[in-house]
Amino acid sequence: DQQVKQNSPSLSVQEGRISILNCDYTNSMFDYFLWYKKYPAEGPTFLISISSIKDKNEDGRFTVFLNKSAKHLSLHIVPSQPGDSAVYFCAAIRSGSARQLTFGSGTQLTVLP
Amino acid sequence: EPEVTQTPSHQVTQMGQEVILRCVPISNHLYFYWYRQILGQKVEFLVSFYNNEISEKSEIFDDQFSVERPDGSNFTLKIRSTKLEDSAMYFCASSGARGQPQHFGDGTRLSIL
Repeated sequence: DQQVKQNSPSLSVQEGRISILNCDYTNSMFDYFLWYKKYPAEGPTFLISISSIKDKNEDGRFTVFLNKSAKHLSLHIVPSQPGDSAVYFCAAIRSGSARQLTFGSGTQLTVLP
Repeated sequence: EPEVTQTPSHQVTQMGQEVILRCVPISNHLYFYWYRQILGQKVEFLVSFYNNEISEKSEIFDDQFSVERPDGSNFTLKIRSTKLEDSAMYFCASSGARGQPQHFGDGTRLSIL
């Protein structure tokens, strides 16, 4: 199942710089997108979301951008902090569904001090 | 902050045995989900539950699986006649309303021997 793809398994960024995590999707029925962060031995933690009617949503250091025509979204973290080091999952919800999440494979972000 | 709690954190079971994984969703939440993550693979949706019935299930959720909300607080996943390939991390999630993000527990690691 490749409906949600995160093509970069890992990303390293210097502390204070911008982290950009990317996600692509194929299903045009997705109408809501979310980013989750996951530390080892913990469950995914919700970060930020965006509806398909918007192209940007911002919450503090986190901004999600959605390009519907390209079926692409990205998560920007500015400035990056060492505590941001985790696996980041992109997830999507299909219109008309029971709102279950379809996850990407995740990107391991490492923020170097 | 309210949390989704899952027990046990690790379950080891002989192949062919039945297991019950337990979850206590956030108290005022109405929508409940089970997901699993096989080692090295994506987080996959299993089943969603609302108003005391299954609202949607994936192809993975066959007759071997069942869910129940036996009282006002617990939400359980039962796996009958376990197989080696059932070994995975199982996550419970809940949300308060259809449009709200899901909150995840820390998971139960199920190991089938």
